[in-house]
Amino acid sequence: GAGVSQTPSNKVTEKGKYVELRCDPISGHTALYWYRQSLGQGPEFLIYFQGTGAADDSGLPNDRFFAVRPEGSVSTLKIQRTERGDSAVYLCASSLGMGGTETQYFGPGTRLLVL
Amino acid sequence: AQKVTQAQTEISVVEKEDVTLDCVYETRDTTYYLFWYKQPPSGELVFLIRRNSFDEQNEISGRYSWNFQKSTSSFNFTITASQVVDSAVYFCALSAYGGATNKLIFGTGTLLAVQP
Repeated sequence: GAGVSQTPSNKVTEKGKYVELRCDPISGHTALYWYRQSLGQGPEFLIYFQGTGAADDSGLPNDRFFAVRPEGSVSTLKIQRTERGDSAVYLCASSLGMGGTETQYFGPGTRLLVL
Repeated sequence: AQKVTQAQTEISVVEKEDVTLDCVYETRDTTYYLFWYKQPPSGELVFLIRRNSFDEQNEISGRYSWNFQKSTSSFNFTITASQVVDSAVYFCALSAYGGATNKLIFGTGTLLAVQP
């Protein structure tokens, strides 16, 4: 079946602008995760959804970052007043959501560049 | 606090050589999971293996094998007879069991370059 998809694949924006990044999880997966990967680093956790609710948003760096998943499927990561330091690859992952520690399957990422 | 250390930043080998990627982790949890992911130049993280803290048996899958040792908090990954297609960044990751979150804590990755 189809894997996790993310759009856009690349996004270039100017400092101070607002951006939205979209994630479409594997069909039937109720758990969804966002990570951020800076150059030369491993992915860093941002937020975890179980269904429509954010079960853990402890990784969001500040209140400029916000994520939603209104129908328990597609999720959107929103960044307000972007800064150059927000430039990174934003990765989305999903898992079955049956409980416990599950394998997360990742999408190809959105490469965000803030000029 | 949870932490994953991959001390090898880059490794370069010639095709058909065996190579071991090291992973050392820190956690206070008694139940946890360890993972390895591969990130080829395309950028997508590809799942390789998941191992829980109660299962210390080594695992082999084709040319890949994993050595989990709780005594040294290590979960090393060996590729036998490496191939050019193995060139990628490999990440080791740790997750606590249960609780409110299933977040993965990643190491900084090891870039493996396999030369023909």
